[in-house]
Amino acid sequence: KAGVTQTPRYLIKTRGQQVTLSCSPISGHRSVSWYQQTPGQGLQFLFEYFSETQRNKGNFPGRFSGRQFSNSRSEMNVSTLELGDSALYLCASSWGRGADTQYFGPGTRLTVL
Amino acid sequence: SQQGEEDPQALSIQEGENATMNCSYKTSINNLQWYRQNSGRGLVHLILIRSNEREKHSGRLRVTLDTSKKSSSLLITASRAADTASYFCATGVSNTGNQFYFGTGTSLTVIP
Repeated sequence: KAGVTQTPRYLIKTRGQQVTLSCSPISGHRSVSWYQQTPGQGLQFLFEYFSETQRNKGNFPGRFSGRQFSNSRSEMNVSTLELGDSALYLCASSWGRGADTQYFGPGTRLTVL
Repeated sequence: SQQGEEDPQALSIQEGENATMNCSYKTSINNLQWYRQNSGRGLVHLILIRSNEREKHSGRLRVTLDTSKKSSSLLITASRAADTASYFCATGVSNTGNQFYFGTGTSLTVIP
């Protein structure tokens, strides 16, 4: 089976712009979670989508949003980018039967200038 | 913060030795997972232990969980240079899905 894929792998944006990141889960997985990783804050949970619905949400401002499509692929959007949004964004997929093993993608490295 | 904390922050051992990492957390959990990350790349799942379990093994890995002390430990036996990585614990707090809070990580260096 193919693993979790994320596109693009690297992205450079400027402050005020918006960005959309994409995640394709492992085939059959219905849950997709998003995490932000920075040197200062570590790994932080953004949100989880299951069957096209947001099931869990972390403590991030409304500029961070996401969605999931019927094929379980997910996108994450960040509007009005700030310098502090520079981070590695990781998505993880799982079967979705409650809390279970998550499989992570390689991440998207976002740099905001 | 709901994040857990790993201890030690950094660990350096000789190949063949055992490595022990500890994780403490603050809230009640449903399960706890350990992950490995190599040089800022994606995380690799190592083991999941549920709140009603006390110990699990997987190959050279042994994980314990003490919910009364809100702590977990990861033991890697007979370490190899390839085990060099950062190790994170992640606490699962949701009854309805995946909502995990990651610890600060332990950076393990195994010297050949």
